[in-house]
Amino acid sequence: EAGVVQSPRYKIIEKKQPVAFWCNPISGHNTLYWYRQNLGQGPELLIRYENEEAVDDSQLPKDRFSAERLKGVDSTLKIQPAELGDSAVYLCASGDGGNTIYFGEGSWLTVV
Amino acid sequence: GQSLEQPSEVTAVEGAIVQINCTYQTSGFYGLSWYQQHDGGAPTFLSYNALDGLEETGRFSSFLSRSDSYGYLLLQELQMKDSASYFCAVLDRGSTLGRLYFGRGTQLTVWP
Repeated sequence: EAGVVQSPRYKIIEKKQPVAFWCNPISGHNTLYWYRQNLGQGPELLIRYENEEAVDDSQLPKDRFSAERLKGVDSTLKIQPAELGDSAVYLCASGDGGNTIYFGEGSWLTVV
Repeated sequence: GQSLEQPSEVTAVEGAIVQINCTYQTSGFYGLSWYQQHDGGAPTFLSYNALDGLEETGRFSSFLSRSDSYGYLLLQELQMKDSASYFCAVLDRGSTLGRLYFGRGTQLTVWP
């Protein structure tokens, strides 16, 4: 069974440019998460979806970040415009409503 | 709010036993999870405790004391491949609707 798939794996952009990350969760998982992980820290939740609905987006910086999960499967996280402080690993995770969530390998963003 | 405290780093030799402690504060505690993350990799689930006591899974065990807001991960018969970051995470089923909060992580280095 395939795990959580994310792309791109690495991205380097200049500040003020847009960037988008894509996530395909584990088949059958209704819950999808986007986390951000800074170097030396734990993952921090940006947004959580239950099917198509964003049920927890209180920590998403909505002035520049947006996310969508139109058909309740794949999801896209966008940053526009990117700032230097956005350099981090963006982790997508999925779950089936239980106590375990499964992470992808992340999209490593460097803003220069 | 929520907070988790765990040591920033631990070192041990192969074959030894190491314990990584985690104390937490949260408004709607539901359970404590542990995740392992190798450098450049995805966080992977290790264990989950919702009730007081010890859960054992092979060489790894996890303990929870809800009254003390404390848990630990015990790693036995350490191997070089156990060198990684270990995160405790609390599942909060309070007003935040099932959010998983991560600690800053403990970097474990296993020496030969």
